[in-house]
Amino acid sequence: GAGVSQSPRYKVAKRGQDVALRCDPISGHVSLFWYQQALGQGPEFLTYFQNEAQLDKSGLPSDRFFAERPEGSVSTLKIQRTQQEDSAVYLCASSQLRAVSARNGYTFGSGTRLTVV
Amino acid sequence: SQQGEEDPQALSIQEGENATMNCSYKTSINNLQWYRQNSGRGLVHLILIRSNEREKHSGRLRVTLDTSKKSSSLLITASRAADTASYFCATVDYGGSQGNLIFGKGTKLSVKP
Repeated sequence: GAGVSQSPRYKVAKRGQDVALRCDPISGHVSLFWYQQALGQGPEFLTYFQNEAQLDKSGLPSDRFFAERPEGSVSTLKIQRTQQEDSAVYLCASSQLRAVSARNGYTFGSGTRLTVV
Repeated sequence: SQQGEEDPQALSIQEGENATMNCSYKTSINNLQWYRQNSGRGLVHLILIRSNEREKHSGRLRVTLDTSKKSSSLLITASRAADTASYFCATVDYGGSQGNLIFGKGTKLSVKP
């Protein structure tokens, strides 16, 4: 597609429930990032993929968070046993290159707003 | 952790006025970027300025960079109601994942018609 697509747009989960958030990056984009954005804050890095390889997962807040990109395109962020503090907007971004392009920066999806009740 | 701070945290102006937002960062950078985020939406890349540049223009946007002070400013001239959004600066962390963006907390701009 023309942009980065994320689904679902909104997700309400009961505490303890597992959730899966999907990101469809721009076709052919090598780099894919996941960010977590709490209300009123800037996005915070979670994890980075270069094609199918997860090169950095240092931002994942706990072992309940897991991300994959098995074929180097679509990525899924899974959160197990959700807690209230997991409530946030989860943003996905992709880039054509490994490093930031001089002209385009990164392309972000609209995000998934997760609310844990 | 977040890279730095945008200043002010919130800004309210009338349509037609100029809006200036500042950003400070902590580490050495290769480039600095500004993004806009409309309420409930993703981030849109506005402009990138490299560390060897001091000023850059794009339409009604003007960005300056002072690497000695580790600060940047974003000026929006002749603001419009449609400019109402949150604005974030971001720097690139090449220490970890070859291009991970580190964002500030943002400035929430409100332009009143």
